[in-house]
Formats: sequence, structure tokens, C-alpha cells
Amino acid sequence: AQSVTQPDIHITVSEGASLELRCNYSYGATPYLFWYVQSPGQGLQLLLKYFSGDTLVQGIKGFEAEFKRSQSSFNLRKPSVHWSDAAEYFCAESYGNKLVFGAGTILRVKS
Amino acid sequence: EPEVTQTPSHQVTQMGQEVILRCVPISNHLYFYWYRQILGQKVEFLVSFYNNEISEKSEIFDDQFSVERPDGSNFTLKIRSTKLEDSAMYFCASAVGQGARNEQFFGPGTRLTVL
Repeated sequence: AQSVTQPDIHITVSEGASLELRCNYSYGATPYLFWYVQSPGQGLQLLLKYFSGDTLVQGIKGFEAEFKRSQSSFNLRKPSVHWSDAAEYFCAESYGNKLVFGAGTILRVKS
Repeated sequence: EPEVTQTPSHQVTQMGQEVILRCVPISNHLYFYWYRQILGQKVEFLVSFYNNEISEKSEIFDDQFSVERPDGSNFTLKIRSTKLEDSAMYFCASAVGQGARNEQFFGPGTRLTVL
């Protein structure tokens, strides 16, 4: 069965530091992968997506993610975190017409 | 910028009562979804809806659940007789087309609390 794993429930980083959020997927030779962010009281906003082609994808708000087939991973990165990045981040994989989500990683940013 | 809206933002109900959660998808979208997130757990797919029919549903979506598009703008999720374990955040989403290449746009969610 398809599953998406986000090993880190919480991550705390200092403002200005780099960030990497981990995600592992389990389904498909050619997965469709997504990262969403949810700020308090807000819906899930799409940060970026990977379908095929270049394994490094750029998204909004300065985020990027790298697809690594050999590791079944799709980790989200940002070189310098801002306090406004504090939120919950969800990795997801498309399976047919639905999204399968990871459990989410809560990012805290300390000043 | 068009967005998906959901009402109410928070619903409290007694066990056994019926609830209707409402969503207004983006106006030119044709595909509609409900997901839920029980506190501390993953966001889970419930159902997808297209052309006034359910196109896919999960095992969670049993006979207690139903969806409807009663008019040209609203998309509703009804829980006929709520249980304690139905307490969750419910997200509505819509997409212009089907499949992974069509982004699903999510609403802010309705927090359902069943007492």
C-alpha cells in the first residue's frame, strides 16, 4: 500500500539557518510528489511539486526539494529560514485521483 | 485570487447528531474532494466527486457519510449520526481537472468536535 513517511514530528531551527525536512514515499516507479504548508487557521498551500524531469524543483517562498529515486526521498530545503516559515509541512504523493499525505512536520523558528 | 472556502470554521455537536459541513470550491473547478485529519494523525482522503457522482471513496467513507453538490456553488459533506471518533479537521479541496497534474486547492478546514 502507498505510504508517505515524514520521520520528524517537530523541528526547531534558528532564524537564518538552513532547513531540511525529510520525506520518504513508498509507491510507484514514477511518483508524483508534493509539499504543502499549513499555517494556523489556513488551508493547505502547495509549495512545490515533482512529476518528472529535473530532480531539483523550485517552489514558492524560496523552498526547493530534491527527488532521489535511489533513496525514495523527496526532501524539502530552504537555505535561510524566516520566522514566517513557522508552520506545519506535509509531504504527499498522488495515487490515482487522491493525495496520500505524510504525518506532517511542525517547524518552529527561534529568533 | 480565487480560494476554497469552508463553513463553519468550528462545529461542536453531540454524538448521534447529524452535521453538514459546507464548502464553496473555486468556481471553474470540476473535481471536488474531502479529506480529514484526526488530531495528531495524517491527513486522510475521504472522497472525490465529479459530475454529481462519487468517483472514489476510502474505507472511512461509510454509509454514515454522504456528499452532495446541491447547487452550482456549494459542495457538502454530511455525517448522518456522528460518533466521537468523527472529531477531526475536515478539509475540502477542488481541482480544475483530474489526476496528479492538476493541483488540488484546499480550504482552511472545519474543525468538528463531537461530544
